[in-house]
Amino acid sequence: GAVVSQHPSRVICKSGTSVKIECRSLDFQATTMFWYRQFPKQSLMLMATSNEGSKATYEQGVEKDKFLINHASLTLSTLTVTSAHPEDSSFYICSAPPLWTSGGAGNEQFFGPGTRLTVL
Amino acid sequence: AQSVTQPDIHITVSEGASLELRCNYSYGATPYLFWYVQSPGQGLQLLLKYFSGDTLVQGIKGFEAEFKRSQSSFNLRKPSVHWSDAAEYFCAVGLYGNKLVFGAGTILRVKS
Repeated sequence: GAVVSQHPSRVICKSGTSVKIECRSLDFQATTMFWYRQFPKQSLMLMATSNEGSKATYEQGVEKDKFLINHASLTLSTLTVTSAHPEDSSFYICSAPPLWTSGGAGNEQFFGPGTRLTVL
Repeated sequence: AQSVTQPDIHITVSEGASLELRCNYSYGATPYLFWYVQSPGQGLQLLLKYFSGDTLVQGIKGFEAEFKRSQSSFNLRKPSVHWSDAAEYFCAVGLYGNKLVFGAGTILRVKS
């Protein structure tokens, strides 16, 4: 199946610093990628939709200035957590539906392995 | 609003025993339903999906799920669990634009 990678897999940073997480589709292209956040023992919550060549769309309650998303190419989306604080510590997961799928509701998408962010 | 409920946080079954993971959804229209499995260090993997048609769907690794509209359920089953099935399982509803709403997940433990 198609592969999505995330880098780094783990990151520890000091409070107030910014952290960039990369999401890459290795063997397919995607005009859209999704960023999820997973709290311990809780579900994945959709944070934002990354759109290649245009602005990301954020879910209600997600701070745009805190979580900067850039979809630089058809294979790369980045999430930057700006001025990180301990409450931003979480597991961040990206996913991507391949370009050959439509924008409907039932298409398969592929998930990255996640990035564990710990803010001290 | 759309939501997915997985009532069991943890389930422990013996190897070789049958398995059923529960999933209930709230959605105004005919749902697109998914089951994903998450193993440590790996991305979520799609086990199976339901869009329409036959309400019993077959997936990978010997899993199946049955869509019951009257009960708003989409329970995942496997007749005989293997130790390698130990993982976390997520039920999800698909929304337009390929967005997914996930349940809280069920952690499956397999005892030998």
